Amino acid sequence: GAVVSQHPSWVICKSGTSVKIECRSLDFQATTMFWYRQFPKKSLMLMATSNEGSKATYEQGVEKDKFLINHASLTLSTLTVTSAHPEDSSFYICSAVGTSGHRTQYFGPGTRLTVL
Amino acid sequence: EDQVTQSPEALRLQEGESSSLNCSYTVSGLRGLFWYRQDPGKGPEFLFTLYSAGEEKEKERLKATLTKKESFLHITAPKPEDSATYLCAVQAGAGGTSYGKLTFGQGTILTVHP
Repeated sequence: GAVVSQHPSWVICKSGTSVKIECRSLDFQATTMFWYRQFPKKSLMLMATSNEGSKATYEQGVEKDKFLINHASLTLSTLTVTSAHPEDSSFYICSAVGTSGHRTQYFGPGTRLTVL
Repeated sequence: EDQVTQSPEALRLQEGESSSLNCSYTVSGLRGLFWYRQDPGKGPEFLFTLYSAGEEKEKERLKATLTKKESFLHITAPKPEDSATYLCAVQAGAGGTSYGKLTFGQGTILTVHP
């Protein structure tokens, strides 16, 4: 149980294009999903908290207009990197918390984004 | 501000050589302390949640313990497949929300040699 998937697992795009990453909770409903960014040999950096049916809450320093988050259902959240630039290249990971009140975050496998 | 410090940064063990990883934390009202394992190029895999001082949890060769200031992840007779980065995270703050942000430590890179 508590499986979270991400798609795609890796993506290469040209500078200036937009990329959408999907995060799905496969066997549970998630009222809240989180989006993280991880640099090589570094820990996870929280970018935003996504609640189903409401606007995402972004961490300080994260550009809302560049990283668009949509949590349209209890099993799906999407992160769109708009007008991507090489400095946006990173490993993006989502996590999900279920509706049962149990506070554990379950993580997806991550998406490797490379912007040329 | 909530802080989590993990030590050591890296640990090399021989197969079968037991050891412990440390996670020290300062938070305003601990709601939970979490241990994750992360393999290169993958997302963190959930291991344990500890909620109160004195609590212990075990899974195979791993045992996690919690005090009011720190948590230990004990690894008994490790195998090469236990090699990974182990992340500690805390969830803090009061309130009625059913979720909470995690503050992560920098991780301990464990390498177990055969």
